[in-house]
Amino acid sequence: QQQVKQSPQSLIVQKGGISIINCAYENTAFDYFPWYQQFPGKGPALLIAIRPDVSEKKEGRFTISFNKSAKQFSLHIMDSQPGDSATYFCAAAPRARQLTFGSGTQLTVLP
Amino acid sequence: DAGVIQSPRHEVTEMGQEVTLRCKPISGHDYLFWYRQTMMRGLELLIYFNNNVPIDDSGMPEDRFSAKMPNASFSTLKIQPSEPRDSAVYFCASSVGLNTGELFFGEGSRLTVL
Repeated sequence: QQQVKQSPQSLIVQKGGISIINCAYENTAFDYFPWYQQFPGKGPALLIAIRPDVSEKKEGRFTISFNKSAKQFSLHIMDSQPGDSATYFCAAAPRARQLTFGSGTQLTVLP
Repeated sequence: DAGVIQSPRHEVTEMGQEVTLRCKPISGHDYLFWYRQTMMRGLELLIYFNNNVPIDDSGMPEDRFSAKMPNASFSTLKIQPSEPRDSAVYFCASSVGLNTGELFFGEGSRLTVL
């Protein structure tokens, strides 16, 4: 119930391409869905987050798409750049409870 | 603000030794979290505190692990005795509220137990 399943484990994209990372959850009480970005040797940092009252949120080249009925959410990175190469974690939490993180996706954007 | 500060950044020790990891959260943050990151298990929440009080320690692997937060600006995670399977990167994070905003992570303490 508390799991968040993330795929793919790794992703290689050409510069300028679209990177898509997917997450699925079971707990219908989850109401906060952030994505974190982690560079080697650093701690994760918040990239973008969404709550289930909207189906999409966009910040620059990064978009979260949220499908409440399917209990899935995804991160889209448009015009992917080599500087986007990092590990991405989805996460979810019920109201006033701690986050559960997905297993992470290692993204490599080729120049 | 300097962000969440962790020390040491790297620790190499021998099996059976005591290890103490330290964290200074961001001033004003009322929640503090300890996570462990490994390739096999990803990011695992070990324990978290609210206003210096431990709220949920169900992620602490076993009695060899203990965590304290004696005041709002300092927390420790202790492993005694350490074992090779404890080798991981340990992150401290802090936030204002629970899931009301960003969780700020430190840069981590990489522990290697030989």
